[in-house]
This record gives sequence, C-alpha cells and structure tokens, in this order.
Amino acid sequence: DGGITQSPKYLFRKEGQNVTLSCEQNLNHDAMYWYRQDPGQGLRLIYYSQIVNDFQKGDIAEGYSVSREKKESFPLTVTSAQKNPTAFYLCASRPGPMNSPLHFGNGTRLTVT
Amino acid sequence: AQTVTQSQPEMSVQEAETVTLSCTYDTSESDYYLFWYKQPPSRQMILVIRQEAYKQQNATENRFSVNFQKAAKSFSLKISDSQLGDAAMYFCAYREIIQGAQKLVFGQGTRLTINP
Repeated sequence: DGGITQSPKYLFRKEGQNVTLSCEQNLNHDAMYWYRQDPGQGLRLIYYSQIVNDFQKGDIAEGYSVSREKKESFPLTVTSAQKNPTAFYLCASRPGPMNSPLHFGNGTRLTVT
Repeated sequence: AQTVTQSQPEMSVQEAETVTLSCTYDTSESDYYLFWYKQPPSRQMILVIRQEAYKQQNATENRFSVNFQKAAKSFSLKISDSQLGDAAMYFCAYREIIQGAQKLVFGQGTRLTINP
C-alpha cells in the first residue's frame, strides 16, 4: 500500500543532542512538508520542499534543518539550537496538482529532557 | 500571512445528533481552497472535506457538509447523525500560495466529544 512512513513513533533524546526524524513516502509525490503540533496551537509549518534538492523555510524553521536528496525522503533534523523541541511532528506530502490535499504520516512524538 | 481561527476549543454532542464546528479565516485572495481535517486519538490526520472558493455550492461528503460564507470568510463544518467514531480533533485549514508553493495554514483545532 502506498503511504507515508514516519519513524520512530516515539523518540527520546537528551538536551543538547541533535536528532533526525525520518519521513519516507512511496506515493511518488513531488512536494513534502514538515509540521509541528503543540497542544492548543494546531499545526505549524517548519520546512517544505517542492522538488528534489530544493526546500524552503516555513513559519518556525529556527533550530531545524532538512534535506531532500531523493524524491521519497525528507528527513528533519532537530538541532540543539531548537529551544523547545518536545512536540509531535507530522510529515506530509502532496501530488503535483495545486488543488490536491495533503497526505499525512502517523507522526513522531519527540521528547527531549 | 493568512490566519485561520477556530473559536471553539471543545464541543460535545449526543450520538445521532447534529453538531457544527466554526472556522473563520482572513484573506485578500479571491480564489482559494479550504479544508477540514480530522485527527482521531491515533493522531493520523484525515481529510474530511474541501471547498473551492469559486464554487458557490457547499461541499458535502456523506454525513459531513460545510456552510461556506465567502463574504463573511466563514467555513463551518456540520456533522449529521454523529457517531462515536467522529470523536476527534478537527482542524480547519486554508491553502496559501507563496512564490508558487502551496502551504496549508491551520486553525487551533476543536476537540469534539460524542456522548453515547
């Protein structure tokens, strides 16, 4: 079945360590996105990529980095510069047409202590 | 940047009854898309319904329908014959186009509880 796979489901790290969240899709979608979800704040956009080897900052990119070396993969690195990294992270993708809805992965819950 | 506001943090409804979730948005564009997503306890985001602004007819998907008031910039979701499986967080979203890239701007969400 086609879909978006985020791994792991739960991730724990010590403060000061970088951590990379995985996002893989086999939907052949061009665009991919990373959102952060905090209680009571909905989803906020971190980074997005329209095509391979190209990506743009979203609304809350500080302390995060991404790469898009392959169409199927869009990993997100949470660096030690991110002040409040504990959150639920959702990856999404979208096919070519502009009016297409986003398809979401199941998310990764990151806890930093 | 566009903004999306959901003024009801929590709502509850009796099973089999009808409930309406509110959403307002701010935009200067004339053509755009609006979406409602559902997030059950599994936290998977599921598309419920979408509306194209240039279409005057309100979108409908089975028990889910919208009341789209373009002039008022209002996009409410009506759930008829509520079922226990409808319990979830519901997010309203506006599609924003910036430099040729599509982004979704989400509201804060409404937690819907279904009472048996």
